[in-house]
Amino acid sequence: AQTVTQSQPEMSVQEAETVTLSCTYDTSESDYYLFWYKQPPSRQMILVIRQEAYKQQNATENRFSVNFQKAAKSFSLKISDSQLGDAAMYFCAYRSPYSGGGADGLTFGKGTHLIIQP
Amino acid sequence: NAGVTQTPKFQVLKTGQSMTLQCAQDMNHEYMSWYRQDPGMGLRLIHYSVGAGITDQGEVPNGYNVSRSTTEDFPLRLLSAAPSQTSVYFCASSYSLENSPLHFGNGTRLTVT
Repeated sequence: AQTVTQSQPEMSVQEAETVTLSCTYDTSESDYYLFWYKQPPSRQMILVIRQEAYKQQNATENRFSVNFQKAAKSFSLKISDSQLGDAAMYFCAYRSPYSGGGADGLTFGKGTHLIIQP
Repeated sequence: NAGVTQTPKFQVLKTGQSMTLQCAQDMNHEYMSWYRQDPGMGLRLIHYSVGAGITDQGEVPNGYNVSRSTTEDFPLRLLSAAPSQTSVYFCASSYSLENSPLHFGNGTRLTVT
């Protein structure tokens, strides 16, 4: 079974600064998908960015980008020009193309609480 | 396009009561799932379905039942509520089990006293 580890339970950054959230995963599969989800205080789960493992190019969505290191099994999220609205829990998720055995192929990390200091 | 609609938003139950959390999606997604979220535990899979008539257990299925009679609906039933089921519940759907991202409902905060 895959595991996803977010080693930073909480991070704090000054508004307008850049912050990087770390995520590592353990897998023996070669094809998979990685996601970052944001959960603001409203509780809604929002997709931030996704990466296909077969793509070497790092995904980017506006101020959000990832550093995908397949050999190191690392998938960090960089938020540039942090804004107050970025304050949220961030979850890293791994999706295997396979399911069964009590799992749907999707594994979440335990989350990182991001605080934005004004 | 409503996405994933989850009701109710809040619910308080007494131990032993039963209830159904409703989930509906209008995106014609084959895959639907239920998660519970507890502090420090991330999201844990309760049950999932890869299509109408097909369901499977996730990581924490005990005390919960599901059915998938249509593509759109995936209700979660608590048979006899226990305080350990106090949690926030999320329904989610996606086009497939592979590279499609999950679309989440807005969650249900359930308290069992």
